[in-house]
Amino acid sequence: GESVGLHLPTLSVQEGDNSIINCAYSNSASDYFIWYKQESGKGPQFIIDIRSNMDKRQGQRVTVLLNKTVKHLSLQIAATQPGDSAVYFCAENIAQRGSNYKLTFGKGTLLTVNP
Amino acid sequence: SQTIHQWPATLVQPVGSPLSLECTVEGTSNPNLYWYRQAAGRGLQLLFYSVGIGQISSEVPQNLSASRPQDRQFILSSKKLLLSDSGFYLCAWSPRAGATNEKLFFGSGTQLSVL
Repeated sequence: GESVGLHLPTLSVQEGDNSIINCAYSNSASDYFIWYKQESGKGPQFIIDIRSNMDKRQGQRVTVLLNKTVKHLSLQIAATQPGDSAVYFCAENIAQRGSNYKLTFGKGTLLTVNP
Repeated sequence: SQTIHQWPATLVQPVGSPLSLECTVEGTSNPNLYWYRQAAGRGLQLLFYSVGIGQISSEVPQNLSASRPQDRQFILSSKKLLLSDSGFYLCAWSPRAGATNEKLFFGSGTQLSVL
């Protein structure tokens, strides 16, 4: 089965509020994590990534936090906008032999931003 | 810059008909290539990945096959489609040689409906 999952399948927030999307992973050997945003009918778009030697990484309006102790990953979106409405996926990577690797995706969280 | 092209965007096929979805990548060499399937409201399931021409790895037993006739071309095929093959198919690429833990870049997807 999947080793990456999400605590909340749906999240509804008001425009301007901060959003927090959570993700749990089960494989302690995972060394790289990515958050993707997928709008309806489109392919996933990269948002932000983090390596296992980091606890926090910030981008434009987004922050990813990694807690390796409890195998938990979160995506924080500041001042959420209607354009942020989408499904958000976390993905984990376990280094494969050589330079080949595969990502395992969680089921996704649907974020709805209310105006 | 690198771009990934995937077509067609939508496809309606009768049960038992053949399938061919094509994906090409521009602006990079020796990429890893991937086919994912996404059922409605679900996460992404890895179907096939390829680390080079003619090299295909299958992740799940199924009615589909993949081929890589050229370095930047990845084809998903079926001889006879089943109803259960319906879904959103995504092609993706990632850098192959060099640094590990690189993110995937996705195409725009093909919505396949088997009737």
